[in-house]
Amino acid sequence: AQSVTQLDSQVPVFEEAPVELRCNYSSSVSVYLFWYVQYPNQGLQLLLKYLSGSTLVKSINGFEAEFNKSQTSFHLRKPSVHISDTAEYFCAVRNPRGNTGTASKLTFGTGTRLQVTL
Amino acid sequence: DGGITQSPKYLFRKEGQNVTLSCEQNLNHDAMYWYRQDPGQGLRLIYYSQIVNDFQKGDIAEGYSVSREKKESFPLTVTSAQKNPTAFYLCASSIYGGDYGYTFGSGTRLTVV
Repeated sequence: AQSVTQLDSQVPVFEEAPVELRCNYSSSVSVYLFWYVQYPNQGLQLLLKYLSGSTLVKSINGFEAEFNKSQTSFHLRKPSVHISDTAEYFCAVRNPRGNTGTASKLTFGTGTRLQVTL
Repeated sequence: DGGITQSPKYLFRKEGQNVTLSCEQNLNHDAMYWYRQDPGQGLRLIYYSQIVNDFQKGDIAEGYSVSREKKESFPLTVTSAQKNPTAFYLCASSIYGGDYGYTFGSGTRLTVV
């Protein structure tokens, strides 16, 4: 079985400061990893994903995450946050499709609320 | 534009009544999912469907039912057997296997009084 741990339920940060949101996963097989963002009373939007290849993946709005297999982590970082980054962030994991063509489902962490203030 | 539409956005119901939440997608996705979101608990999977006329229970299916008669539609019924139905419900879809992640609707907030 796979699981995701987001240790920080809330992360307060000042505008223009750097931030790191932590995500650790457990899985006995290879994984795909995702970060989603949720603004108040809205659905989740895909921020970035790691499927294979380069372990550093980037989003169009300045976020990046690095897949670290040895530490089973996929932490999300941004060097300088903006007020508009205030939202809840979810890390998710799933196992790639198996030989039978079936695939496991996305498993989500409990979320980290990023609060950016002036 | 393609996407997922959930309706209504807000829903109020009396205790003991069944209620159906709508989810429609025009992305031509094979798979659809229903999640429940409660503060501090993240997203928990209720039901999912990978093809028409087939669906499977997720982690918290008790008190819920679904149907998948059309590829585009995956309605969720919250029955009177669900002990604590007040929550934010999210519908999602993906291509088969979900290799590129899920696309989510904007959610329905259900309040039972």
